[in-house]
Amino acid sequence: ETGVTQSPTHLIKTRGQQVTLRCSSQSGHNTVSWYQQALGQGPQFIFQYYREEENGRGNFPPRFSGLQFPNYSSELNVNALELDDSALYLCASSPRGGQYNEQFFGPGTRLTVL
Amino acid sequence: GESVGLHLPTLSVQEGDNSIINCAYSNSASDYFIWYKQESGKGPQFIIDIRSNMDKRQGQRVTVLLNKTVKHLSLQIAATQPGDSAVYFCAEEGGGNEKLTFGTGTRLTIIP
Repeated sequence: ETGVTQSPTHLIKTRGQQVTLRCSSQSGHNTVSWYQQALGQGPQFIFQYYREEENGRGNFPPRFSGLQFPNYSSELNVNALELDDSALYLCASSPRGGQYNEQFFGPGTRLTVL
Repeated sequence: GESVGLHLPTLSVQEGDNSIINCAYSNSASDYFIWYKQESGKGPQFIIDIRSNMDKRQGQRVTVLLNKTVKHLSLQIAATQPGDSAVYFCAEEGGGNEKLTFGTGTRLTIIP
């Protein structure tokens, strides 16, 4: 069983640029959630995708957008990067089918915005 | 609004002793709680979970206690080992939308 993978592991961008982060869900999981974790903080929910549709969104502006593909992998796109977007971006996958589904996290992508 | 907070940001424990990490939550609608362990440079790793219809659940060397009356959650780690050193987060989920709300975290340091 393959776990959640994310790419790239590290990324450096400058203000105003755009970035795309990628996530492959764990085998058999059809739901992907994205979280932003600032240094020294707990992860903050960005949004969730289920069957290629956004299924819930946290308090993040529209310049944070995402996609889910038929194979359940997902992308997080951030436009017009700001310095405060520097963080660890985590992807988590889970099997949809009711409540209380454990979310499995990937190792994250460390984004630095200069 | 909903929030999950932790009482202590750091905790140092002698190797072999038991550790207790506490967490308070504010959303009465939350019905599922999870403890995660996060080591440096890694994503959160599931430790143990508990549903709101339970008040205690045990795993291997870990126990989670849930007190819904005072909205309090705790993680007990028995016989702590150096490998237990990490940041521990409690997280809550409610309403079936699978959105996790995390606290700030507690850094557990094991003293040899």
